[in-house]
Amino acid sequence: EADIYQTPRYLVIGTGKKITLECSQTMGHDKMYWYQQDPGMELHLIHYSYGVNSTEKGDLSSESTVSRIRTEHFPLTLESARPSHTSQYLCASSGASGSTDTQYFGPGTRLTVL
Amino acid sequence: AQSVTQLGSHVSVSEGALVLLRCNYSSSVPPYLFWYVQYPNQGLQLLLKYTSAATLVKGINGFEAEFKKSETSFHLTKPSAHMSDAAEYFCAVRGPNTPLVFGKGTRLSVIA
Repeated sequence: EADIYQTPRYLVIGTGKKITLECSQTMGHDKMYWYQQDPGMELHLIHYSYGVNSTEKGDLSSESTVSRIRTEHFPLTLESARPSHTSQYLCASSGASGSTDTQYFGPGTRLTVL
Repeated sequence: AQSVTQLGSHVSVSEGALVLLRCNYSSSVPPYLFWYVQYPNQGLQLLLKYTSAATLVKGINGFEAEFKKSETSFHLTKPSAHMSDAAEYFCAVRGPNTPLVFGKGTRLSVIA
């Protein structure tokens, strides 16, 4: 059973607020990912990290930023939230290399910006 | 680059009927292929994965998928649908040491 946690599960905030979505995993995985998913839609990769102090942007342009100071922690920050950021954000991690590198997902954070 | 196409955004089957969810992939390298399931307000759960060990892959909850290189397909099947199978299903592909790329998803409805 994968142990990957996201907080908060639900967040409703006003425009212009700074927010940080938390993601932690207890599996010692080197690789971590953030996906954005609109309701009933596909997942888009917005950020990923293959290790401490290493972050990359994904396929979908995003105004968010990430950091990876500790192996187990991969927070996502929005400096100034807007209604267009309303979405579900899913965090994932993986640890092995090659064919056994399976991504495990957290429960997600559903963000609503008013 | 890798990509997947899921045919049919919504599939509806009767309880006890065969489930068939279609996925075709495109990859310039030997792909690793995955099926995930998502229940409402939850994250994604791995159903099964193909990693070149065997073309017929068995997963959890009675699902299986067959890798067909000639057809570039990785369709998901289950012989007999159960009400609890109603969910969103995502096919995904990746190359060596690259993140997953997901299809648009197929919503499965099961009718009693």
